[in-house]
Amino acid sequence: EIVLTQSPGTLSLSPGERATLSCRASQSVSSSYLAWYQQKPGRAPRLLIYGASSRATGIPDRFSGSGSGTDFTLTISRLEPEDFAVYFCQQYGSSPLTFGGGTKVEIK
Amino acid sequence: EVQLVDSGGDLVQPGGSLRLSCAASGLTFGSYAMNWVRQAPGKGLEWVSTIVGSADSTMYADSVKGRFTISRDNSKNTLYLQMNSLRAEDTAIYYCAKSYGSGWYHRLDYWGQGTPVTVSS
Repeated sequence: EIVLTQSPGTLSLSPGERATLSCRASQSVSSSYLAWYQQKPGRAPRLLIYGASSRATGIPDRFSGSGSGTDFTLTISRLEPEDFAVYFCQQYGSSPLTFGGGTKVEIK
Repeated sequence: EVQLVDSGGDLVQPGGSLRLSCAASGLTFGSYAMNWVRQAPGKGLEWVSTIVGSADSTMYADSVKGRFTISRDNSKNTLYLQMNSLRAEDTAIYYCAKSYGSGWYHRLDYWGQGTPVTVSS
């Protein structure tokens, strides 16, 4: 099983600042099958990034993903008020599918 | 527009059973694998099960194997999760989620709103 470790657990930032979220895998993620999801309180997760760096349909270009192998990063270039949420990474290249524990981006 | 509507969640006693449903619209349902993902209160996401588009192959997390059964009716555009021998640790919001493709190992591009399951006496 691939274990995904996200850091930091909480990120306290102000609107307009840059957010950098990390996701580290316990073994190499096959074909960069790494996704990022955003979840707001009481809502279902929403796909942001797939294939480590491709934006999903309708996702603003302030969201970007990078990385390969075991180290992946989600960057939000300038935080908008609606971006304060919890972010999960997920690998979908091998069974079982696994998620990271999440990073909460909160308003400072 | 793709829509997934989860239903069937309830309060059930330990050892009991429950069947969840996910009604899909706005897509050619049988062309996509479907999944169940759960989230315990205040916790992260946990993948539960996947069924391929043709319904002839399934996968389960070890935590539910032998107790849960995923199925689908492509004529009714509906996904199911039969949950037996429920335990307190199965308490969670259960989401259905559509895979991007018909087989294994795809991103989850659309999610239902979730249905809550509480296992308690």
